[in-house]
Amino acid sequence: DAGVTQSPTHLIKTRGQHVTLRCSPISGHKSVSWYQQVLGQGPQFIFQYYEKEERGRGNFPDRFSARQFPNYSSELNVNALLLGDSALYLCASSAETGVVGAQYFGPGTRLLVL
Amino acid sequence: AQSVSQHNHHVILSEAASLELGCNYSYGGTVNLFWYVQYPGQHLQLLLKYFSGDPLVKGIKGFEAEFIKSKFSFNLRKPSVQWSDTAEYFCAVSPPGNTGKLIFGQGTTLQVKP
Repeated sequence: DAGVTQSPTHLIKTRGQHVTLRCSPISGHKSVSWYQQVLGQGPQFIFQYYEKEERGRGNFPDRFSARQFPNYSSELNVNALLLGDSALYLCASSAETGVVGAQYFGPGTRLLVL
Repeated sequence: AQSVSQHNHHVILSEAASLELGCNYSYGGTVNLFWYVQYPGQHLQLLLKYFSGDPLVKGIKGFEAEFIKSKFSFNLRKPSVQWSDTAEYFCAVSPPGNTGKLIFGQGTTLQVKP
C-alpha cells in the first residue's frame, strides 16, 4: 500500500508570496495532520483535519490555513511568507480523529523562503 | 510550560553497545506515547507506541520502550545497536484530551560507529 504522499518535494518562494502544499493520506485514513519541522528541532503541530473539519490547531498565525477534501486529501496554505517559514512541512495521516492508530508521516515538502 | 524533553541531543556508540535514550514529558493525566525514527534521507517512521496496558512496549527492529508513569518517562532502549541504527530519534506525546495532536521532543541524533 502507498504511504502518505506529499507534493511538491521542494519549493522556493520569496517573502510575501503564498504557497500551497498538498498531501494524500494512506488509503482508508480519514485524518490528516500538518507539522512544521525547523532544522534541528522536532516537528511542531499546525493543524488536524478529520472528515473535512478542523479538529485541532497549533500556535501558528492566521497566515496558515488548511482544508481537507472529500477524498481526505489535504492542502496547507501559507500567505504572506516570511523568511522564518522556511522549514520542512510534514503531513501525517491516521485512521481516526485520535491517534489510536498512530500517525504516519509523509516525506515532507521542503520550503525555502528567500 | 508543558513539553517533551529528550535528554541527549547527540549520542555516539560503537556497534553492539547498548542504547538508552531518555524522554520525559510534563503532561498530567492519560497520555499516548510514541517513538519515531528518521533515517538519513528518509521520512519519519513509527518505531513503537504506548496507549495502555503493559508498560514495556516492543517495537520494530529490536527496539523497546518502558513507560514509567511516576517518572513521566518513556525511555527507548536497544540491547545491541547496529551501524544501520544511525538516525535521529524523536519522542512524541499525545496530550490528554487532544488526541489529534503530537508534541515532539527536540530529537536525539544517534551515530553508531562500525
